[in-house]
Amino acid sequence: GNSVTQMEGPVTLSEEAFLTINCTYTATGYPSLFWYVQYPGEGLQLLLKATKADDKGSNKGFEATYRKETTSFHLEKGSVQVSDSAVYFCALTGGATNKLIFGTGTLLAVQP
Amino acid sequence: NAGVTQTPKFQVLKTGQSMTLQCAQDMNHNSMYWYRQDPGMGLRLIYYSASEGTTDKGEVPNGYNVSRLNKREFSLRLESAAPSQTSVYFCASSARTGGKDTQYFGPGTRLTVL
Repeated sequence: GNSVTQMEGPVTLSEEAFLTINCTYTATGYPSLFWYVQYPGEGLQLLLKATKADDKGSNKGFEATYRKETTSFHLEKGSVQVSDSAVYFCALTGGATNKLIFGTGTLLAVQP
Repeated sequence: NAGVTQTPKFQVLKTGQSMTLQCAQDMNHNSMYWYRQDPGMGLRLIYYSASEGTTDKGEVPNGYNVSRLNKREFSLRLESAAPSQTSVYFCASSARTGGKDTQYFGPGTRLTVL
């Protein structure tokens, strides 16, 4: 079945450092791929998405490219801020039910 | 627009008690979902409703029931709570299933079963 694997955290960075959070997936067909972010004490918010191969999703300085050949959707940001500290979830949907399949989440802690 | 709202925000139950978690959306979405979030396991789908009047099981439905009361509201009921149901519960909605629509999440309900 469909599944998502993302790097374990926590990831601890200094402000202005470069961020990469790896995400790979297993899926039949052509899923859509998502990154959601969860700030402390809050629900999940969509950060970015890509619906077909080679699409690049971007938002708030974050970006991720849908790579079908490597089944990956790695999240990157050139210069992180303390306010980016959160848990990041990679997810996919596909098929008739649009059910989201989530990775386990990666905690990012950015230090000033 | 409030988006997706959930009540209550926090709840403590004793084993065997029952309760209903409420969820409502004001985006005129057809599809609604209930997830639970546990440490190290991401979010897992409990039940979903593709449209008003329909409900289907997700990955972890045991111990739960749902009601799609109308297009706006989708409730989750625990008939006899167990400590294994201690979790954070999220409701979500999307315009439809069968497509690739974004799901929008509520703020969550933190449930503790003693």
